[in-house]
Amino acid sequence: GIQVEQSPPDLILQEGANSTLRCNFSDSVNNLQWFHQNPWGQLINLFYIPSGTKQNGRLSATTVATERYSLLYISSSQTTDSGVYFCAGGRGGGADGLTFGKGTHLIIQP
Amino acid sequence: ETGVTQSPTHLIKTRGQQVTLRCSSQSGHNTVSWYQQALGQGPQFIFQYYREEENGRGNFPPRFSGLQFPNYSSELNVNALELDDSALYLCATEDRRSGNTIYFGEGSWLTVV
Repeated sequence: GIQVEQSPPDLILQEGANSTLRCNFSDSVNNLQWFHQNPWGQLINLFYIPSGTKQNGRLSATTVATERYSLLYISSSQTTDSGVYFCAGGRGGGADGLTFGKGTHLIIQP
Repeated sequence: ETGVTQSPTHLIKTRGQQVTLRCSSQSGHNTVSWYQQALGQGPQFIFQYYREEENGRGNFPPRFSGLQFPNYSSELNVNALELDDSALYLCATEDRRSGNTIYFGEGSWLTVV
C-alpha cells in the first residue's frame, strides 16, 4: 500500500511566524487532502489538492504530483493554528480509503 | 461545522463485548467511510460504504462490520472487543457529485477495559 511520510513531526513557533509542512508519498495518488485536527479530535478538511496550488486565507498548499510530494504553508501563525496537521492520499475511485501520515504536531506560542 | 454527527462521543466497554457507533451526515453525502485512530497515530481506513453496500475495506478483521441506511446514516459494529480496539473512531462522508472533499465527524472515543 501507499506509504505517507510527514515532516517535521513536531514544530514549535512563536505567533506571527511562517511554517512549511511537507508530505511525501511512496506512490502516485490522485486524491490528496490536508487536514487539521484540533485538541478535541475534530478533523477539518483544509485542502483537496491532488495537483497544483491552492490558497485559503493564511493557508496555502502545493502538490507536485510527478514528484509525489505536497507542501502546506501557514503564514502569520496564530495560536488557534495549533494542533496536528495530517496529509492523506488515495488512488482510484476512493474505495481503498485514504492513507494518512503520522501528522505534524504544531504548537504556536503567544 | 462539517455536517457530520457521531454518537456516542465517549464510551467504555469491557473486553469481549460488542459496540455500535453511529454516524449521520448531510443529505447528498452518499459515501461514508470509517476510520480508526489510535493515540499518536494518523487515522486508519476501516471500510467504505456507497449506496448502502460495502465497496472497500482496509486491513481490519471481519468482527468490524458496518451498515449504511437510505437516509445516509451509518453504523460501525465491533464484536468481541479487544483492548487494542481502544481508539477514536471517525466517520467521514463525501458527496461524489461535487468532488472528493471529505468531511469528518467529531469522532467516538472508545475505551476497552
